[in-house]
Amino acid sequence: GAGVSQSPRYKVAKRGQDVALRCDPISGHVSLFWYQQALGQGPEFLTYFQNEAQLDKSGLPSDRFFAERPEGSVSTLKIQRTQQEDSAVYLCASSYDQGAPGRKAFFGQGTRLTVV
Amino acid sequence: GENVEQHPSTLSVQEGDSAVIKCTYSDSASNYFPWYKQELGKRPQLIIDIRSNVGEKKDQRIAVTLNKTAKHFSLHITETQPEDSAVYFCAASTDGQNFVFGPGTRLSVLP
Repeated sequence: GAGVSQSPRYKVAKRGQDVALRCDPISGHVSLFWYQQALGQGPEFLTYFQNEAQLDKSGLPSDRFFAERPEGSVSTLKIQRTQQEDSAVYLCASSYDQGAPGRKAFFGQGTRLTVV
Repeated sequence: GENVEQHPSTLSVQEGDSAVIKCTYSDSASNYFPWYKQELGKRPQLIIDIRSNVGEKKDQRIAVTLNKTAKHFSLHITETQPEDSAVYFCAASTDGQNFVFGPGTRLSVLP
């Protein structure tokens, strides 16, 4: 089937605006990850779901960031009151399972957020 | 928590030569080490991975080696081609959970 799909591809937000970024993981993938990638840097972990359970949100930079995956499939990353430092590419990845090594994670094409 | 370092940050090689990128990790519990290739404006793509119970893995021109004792792993690309030019990221994970990425290596293959 299709790979990990993210929408929108590009988002321009005015400072203070709320945004919602969507991730459609590969069908059947249990684990879902959100990453933030600043220009010229590696992906930085934000949060991780196993099915609908958010097992790790230690990477979320502030309480303005919120992620959910209510039915264990599609996930939404919401950023409230956006700031200029939130400008980055937000990457979603999914993998079939967790709890075992070698579970390959596949990335979506990302959403490039620009806060002006 | 886990910390992954990666060297060099940039690497230029002549077409046909080999390229080696090295990563170190800090958490001895890490047991899965993937490598991703990211072209400009595109998604990271998994190119090879290795588990902690294996010392080396090869896939055509790409190979990865792992030294668990020293906590380092390396990517080797032989017979480089211009299309190998990209940014390469290593990562470390425990049981497929939180993947911690290195800062990346920009590889340029010169024709």
